[in-house]
Amino acid sequence: DTAVSQTPKYLVTQMGNDKSIKCEQNLGHDTMYWYKQDSKKFLKIMFSYNNKELIINETVPNRFSPKSPDKAHLNLHINSLELGDSAVYFCASSQKAEQYFGPGTRLTVT
Amino acid sequence: QQPVQSPQAVILREGEDAVINCSSSKALYSVHWYRQKHGEAPVFLMILLKGGEQKGHDKISASFNEKKQQSSLYLTASQLSYSGTYFCGTDQGGSEKLVFGKGTKLTVNP
Repeated sequence: DTAVSQTPKYLVTQMGNDKSIKCEQNLGHDTMYWYKQDSKKFLKIMFSYNNKELIINETVPNRFSPKSPDKAHLNLHINSLELGDSAVYFCASSQKAEQYFGPGTRLTVT
Repeated sequence: QQPVQSPQAVILREGEDAVINCSSSKALYSVHWYRQKHGEAPVFLMILLKGGEQKGHDKISASFNEKKQQSSLYLTASQLSYSGTYFCGTDQGGSEKLVFGKGTKLTVNP
């Protein structure tokens, strides 16, 4: 059973498009995160939700909008995609600090 | 404030030891260590809380000197499976908001 899953695994799209990435965890954790890992492997937190409530909102363009319909799901919607958005996006969940990462979604904007 | 990891890269032969350092200019609540293999998600190794405790499992251990705001990860008798990029993540306020270092790429050769 996959603990943290993400769809899609790969996403190739053109500049200006809107896309969504979905994340689900079956660990019963209260907290979920979105991270961005760029081509230099720099891993940076974007958002965090605790039990559907936004608790961390880093300085990211407001083209990025997270949504948590319930505590097991956290989605990321990106409007007007730009070349610089190309990266691997990881979802993660935690209960007591130990974070479990999903497999990642590799987004390529052309 | 991003923690500084050193070295950036290290190459070992199987059975050799390595130390990876992580330092911050800010007071820390905790330090987290993750390992990421190529094309995979980061995997949690251990967390060290304020108190200077040392932790370990198998042949990987870590220490945390909160006065110096430094943590070190010790890998002894390295195995091929230890290869990957090691990230330290620092938490300044107990909020589980981790700021990751740039990573240390460890390669273990036969």
